Amino acid sequence: AQSVTQLGSHVSVSEGALVLLRCNYSSSVPPYLFWYVQYPNQGLQLLLKYTSAATLVKGINGFEAEFKKSETSFHLTKPSAHMSDAAEYFCAVSDRGDDKIIFGKGTRLHILP
Amino acid sequence: EPEVTQTPSHQVTQMGQEVILRCVPISNHLYFYWYRQILGQKVEFLVSFYNNEISEKSEIFDDQFSVERPDGSNFTLKIRSTKLEDSAMYFCASSVSRRQETQYFGPGTRLLVL
Repeated sequence: AQSVTQLGSHVSVSEGALVLLRCNYSSSVPPYLFWYVQYPNQGLQLLLKYTSAATLVKGINGFEAEFKKSETSFHLTKPSAHMSDAAEYFCAVSDRGDDKIIFGKGTRLHILP
Repeated sequence: EPEVTQTPSHQVTQMGQEVILRCVPISNHLYFYWYRQILGQKVEFLVSFYNNEISEKSEIFDDQFSVERPDGSNFTLKIRSTKLEDSAMYFCASSVSRRQETQYFGPGTRLLVL
């Protein structure tokens, strides 16, 4: 069965510092992987997705994620945090044959001035 | 930019009452989904819908739940007799085609069952 584990329910970084949000997945088949962001009182917005093309995926707002099959990881990074990045981030996985997306518990990112 | 909308944003109901959550998907999308997130827990898939029928559903989506596309624009989730454990944020999503096309999510309806 597919699952996603996000390490750290809360992560704090200083403005301008590197953002690293960790995600590990479990899937019996090559998965599709996603990162979604949720700003306060808003819906889930797709940041980026991996669908078996390049292993380094670039998304919106300067975020990127690297698919590492050997580590079953799909960590999200951004070189320099901005105050507007404060939000909740969800890693998600989907079996290529499925409609559904399986979400992780989410990581709330706090940006310190 | 087109977006998925949901109404109401918040709903409070008594246990045993019926509730209908409404969604307006993006106009050219053909696949529709409901997810829910109980406070402090993961976002969970409930159901997907295409061509006026359920495409896939989870174990959570039991006989108390139903979905409908009553007209060309709305997509609804009905809970027939709400339970305390139905209290959650319910998200609607839509996509152009199925599976790995991007699913666009609405802002959610927060349901509180008393």
